[in-house]
Amino acid sequence: EIVLTQSPATLSLSPGERATLSCRASESVRSYLAWYQQKPGQSPRLLIYDASNRATGIPARFSGGGSGTDFTLTISSLEPEDFAVYYCQQRSNWPLTFGGGTKVEIK
Amino acid sequence: EVQLLESGGGLVQPGGSLRLSCAASGFTFSSFAMSWVRQAPGKGLEWVSGISSSGGTTYYADSVKGRFTISRDNSKNTLYLQMNLVGAEDTAIYNCAKVRAQGLGTYHFDSWGQGTLVTVSS
Repeated sequence: EIVLTQSPATLSLSPGERATLSCRASESVRSYLAWYQQKPGQSPRLLIYDASNRATGIPARFSGGGSGTDFTLTISSLEPEDFAVYYCQQRSNWPLTFGGGTKVEIK
Repeated sequence: EVQLLESGGGLVQPGGSLRLSCAASGFTFSSFAMSWVRQAPGKGLEWVSGISSSGGTTYYADSVKGRFTISRDNSKNTLYLQMNLVGAEDTAIYNCAKVRAQGLGTYHFDSWGQGTLVTVSS
């Protein structure tokens, strides 16, 4: 199975700062990678699909990039509601897999 | 508005069985593949199983293969997960999730239910 490794595990930043999250795949997933946001007590929300496409209703401050094995999620300027856990997920191969998550916390 | 409502969770003894349901509304259920994703308390997301829009193709994580069965009834707009031979490692919130788009392979999830908690304990 394809292993997705997210880094860092925790990112401590202030509102207004730029956040850069990484997801590395154990083998190529082409561009078939998604990013989700999850807040405490809530279900995940799709942010980015197929590496760089924003899902419906997602603000432009969220952007995704990369292909093959290395991907990034960038939040250009953190809003208070962006502090959450972020997961990547690949759909290139079965079984589908998620990364372990990156927590973005308030510094 | 897409709505996914899971039910059927609860306390089950090790080795026991449970059937989860997910009632879907707000979209053409029969046109979209679906999946179950679980999250153990305080842990990350784990994909469990997926099923094509027709129900003719199913997929499983190795951790549940041979014990869990995914199915769907498109006439009832309902997704199911039959869980057999459960163990403590199956304790989690189980969410059903809808794929983003119609078509083969589009297994990114744009709608999620709130989940149903399964606790495996004696």
